[in-house]
Amino acid sequence: DAGVTQSPTHLIKTRGQQVTLRCSPKSGHDTVSWYQQALGQGPQFIFQYYEEEERQRGNFPDRFSGHQFPNYSSELNVNALLLGDSALYLCASSRGGGADEQYFGPGTRLTVT
Amino acid sequence: DQQVKQNSPSLSVQEGRISILNCDYTNSMFDYFLWYKKYPAEGPTFLISISSIKDKNEDGRFTVFLNKSAKHLSLHIVPSQPGDSAVYFCAASGGMDSSYKLIFGSGTRLLVRP
Repeated sequence: DAGVTQSPTHLIKTRGQQVTLRCSPKSGHDTVSWYQQALGQGPQFIFQYYEEEERQRGNFPDRFSGHQFPNYSSELNVNALLLGDSALYLCASSRGGGADEQYFGPGTRLTVT
Repeated sequence: DQQVKQNSPSLSVQEGRISILNCDYTNSMFDYFLWYKKYPAEGPTFLISISSIKDKNEDGRFTVFLNKSAKHLSLHIVPSQPGDSAVYFCAASGGMDSSYKLIFGSGTRLLVRP
């Protein structure tokens, strides 16, 4: 049973560029949440997708956008990258929306130079 | 404004002894609490959870205690094993603003010494 998978593992981008991160949820899960984890901090909620719609959003600017596909996989897009966007981006999946027992992927380490 | 706080950045415990990790929260609307463990280069792994209608939940060596009046929860690991060495995050959800998201503390790094 495949768990949550994310790609790519690592990414280096330049300020001002755009990036797309991808996530496949655990088998049987239909909800995907995205988190940003800065060094030495806990994960911070970006947004959640359920039934292909953004259900809730955290305190992140509109430069952060997402999408969920009919197969429940998801993408996180970040435009006009800033140095401060350098972080570990985690995808978590769960069943039926909500915050219960979210299962996390290994993350994508984004470095903005 | 940090709604979930883990005030101890690190904890060192002898193998076989008890590890107690603490977490405080400020939002009285939170009704579900979770603990996650994170190894380097991996995503957080779900450990144990507790609903606000309970004050204790146990799963093998792991027990979570919830004190709603003090807005405090703790994770007890007995007996501690070297493989438990990791960063532990507590997380909370509930209320209008946080029904779908987990709000995490900043983590406590546990080191279990052989």
